[in-house]
Formats: sequence, structure tokens, C-alpha cells
Amino acid sequence: DAGVTQSPTHLIKTRGQQVTLRCSPKSGHDTVSWYQQALGQGPQFIFQYYEEEERQRGNFPDRFSGHQFPNYSSELNVNALLLGDSALYLCASSLVGQGWYFGAGTRLSVL
Amino acid sequence: DQQVKQNSPSLSVQEGRISILNCDYTNSMFDYFLWYKKYPAEGPTFLISISSIKDKNEDGRFTVFLNKSAKHLSLHIVPSQPGDSAVYFCAVIQGAQKLVFGQGTRLTINP
Repeated sequence: DAGVTQSPTHLIKTRGQQVTLRCSPKSGHDTVSWYQQALGQGPQFIFQYYEEEERQRGNFPDRFSGHQFPNYSSELNVNALLLGDSALYLCASSLVGQGWYFGAGTRLSVL
Repeated sequence: DQQVKQNSPSLSVQEGRISILNCDYTNSMFDYFLWYKKYPAEGPTFLISISSIKDKNEDGRFTVFLNKSAKHLSLHIVPSQPGDSAVYFCAVIQGAQKLVFGQGTRLTINP
């Protein structure tokens, strides 16, 4: 049973560009959450998707947007990249009563 | 404002000894607490949790203690093993939808 998979593993972009990160949840999970982990910090909640709708959002600007597909996979999009967007982006999937399972993350570097 | 704080960025412990990792939180309404462990190039993995109705939960070498009056929890690892070297995050569940993490503590077990 594959766990949570994220792609790509690493990404280098320049300021002002746009980026799309992808996440496939653990089999059977219907909820996907995205977190940003800056260097030396804990993961910070960006938003959560359930039934293809954004269910809750953290304190992130509108440049961060997402999508969930009918197969429960999800994308995180970031527009107009800033240097401060450089971080590890983690995807977590869950099902009620089963806790959160994290992927290995996508390391985004903005130059 | 940091709702969950881990004030020790790093901790070094001799193999076989006890490791104690600490976490403080600000909101007395938090009722479920978790510890995650993260190795490099991997996502956080769930380690142990505790509900606010308990003051101790034990799982093998790992024990979590909760002091509600002090808004403090700690993770004890006994005996510490080299494979325990990792970054440990304390987290709380907020609003049933998201995890709020501390900054993490890097634990190094020395042979």
C-alpha cells in the first residue's frame, strides 16, 4: 500500500514565477492538507481539501491556491513566487479517525 | 503568536540514557496532543499522542506526560538508541481540521 506521494521532490524557480506541486494521498484517504515548513521551523498549515472543496485555510495569501481532484489527489499552486516562499512543502492525507500521514515533501528553492 | 513552543532547538544524549523533549502550549482549550518524528528526506511520522483527559501515555520506550495546569507536555525516550536521532515535533489538533506544530527539537543520540 503506497503511502502519501509527492512530486517533484525538488524544484528551483525564480522570483515572480508560478509553481505547481502535486500530492497523491494514501489509499482510502479522502482529505488532503498542505503544510509549509521553513528552515528551522515546524510545518505551518496552508489549507485543507475535502470533497474537492477548500475546507479550511491558514494564514497564507491568495497567491497560494489549491485543487482536489475526484480521485482525491491534490495540487498546490503558488503564483508570483517570492524568495520567502523557499521551503519544504508537505502534503498530509487523512481519513476520519485514522490520523494524518505525511509525504516526504517537495523542496522548493526560489532564486 | 506561537501557540505551541519547543524552546530547545537541539538536544544531545548518550546512548542508553533518557531523552526528555519538552513542549509548551498557550491555549487551555487544546485537548489532543501529538508527537511526530522526522528523519531527513522523509515526512513527519506519528509517534505517540495523549488526550487532555489523561496525564500519561506510554508506548514501549516512549512516554508522553501532560501537565495541564502548566500547559506543558514532555516526551521521554528510555533507553535512547542511535536510531532515535531525528527532529521531534510537538503538535496539537486545532478545530479538528489541522495540526499546529512547534518549531521542533533536533535530538542526537551519541554512541
